[in-house]
Amino acid sequence: EVQLVESGGGLVQPGGSLRLSCAASGFTFSSNAMIWVRQAPGRGLEWVSSIRGSGDTTDYADSVKGRFTISRDDSKNTLYLQMNGLRAEDTAIYYCAKDRWVIPTGRFDYWGQGTLVTVSS
Amino acid sequence: QSALTQPASVSGSPGQSITISCTGTSSDIGSYNLVSWYQQHPGKAPKLIIYEVNKRPSGLSDRFFGSKSGNTASLTISGLQAEDEADYYCCSYSGTWVFGGGTKLTVL
Repeated sequence: EVQLVESGGGLVQPGGSLRLSCAASGFTFSSNAMIWVRQAPGRGLEWVSSIRGSGDTTDYADSVKGRFTISRDDSKNTLYLQMNGLRAEDTAIYYCAKDRWVIPTGRFDYWGQGTLVTVSS
Repeated sequence: QSALTQPASVSGSPGQSITISCTGTSSDIGSYNLVSWYQQHPGKAPKLIIYEVNKRPSGLSDRFFGSKSGNTASLTISGLQAEDEADYYCCSYSGTWVFGGGTKLTVL
């Protein structure tokens, strides 16, 4: 059974940092592209970042470029999102999801339950 | 990276059909057959219901149908059921990825 479990969310002050983790199981983690998607309270979904199965290609939304870094450790079956320079508008539930293929195709077939990040003083 | 445009809400009675539109541009929906749709119930994670414009994941009801014409993708749900009441999001490749603003489906 495929499982994605996010962790690392919490309350952080503006300008602070957090590192989110997404522990994967039930599939060959290295064979799948992974993404982070966020959802601000009462708002819609926003793609944040993606990484290929090979880990050699990453992409970022303009809203987080230069502040967030996506990475993966295939030996630990874990996806990460390092978030620096956090702003109030980064407050959201952060979901990780897997793509069916090694490069992102939009077939995000499994999602975690999400972890809440709150940026506030 | 502007969001795709979806109606804020749609509604229908049990047994009826509804269609949700998702309008993009020639840089996203119009250029790629990488449109997917997600269903999200309150407090839950999104669930994939359509990928590559019109393909359904294994085991998903054939009441869900996806299509595309030009810069607009559509999701049609036939034989509406109470459990279809949820938020629906489209997503397209655009060089990166972009979601629609979401549509709240109410089953009357």
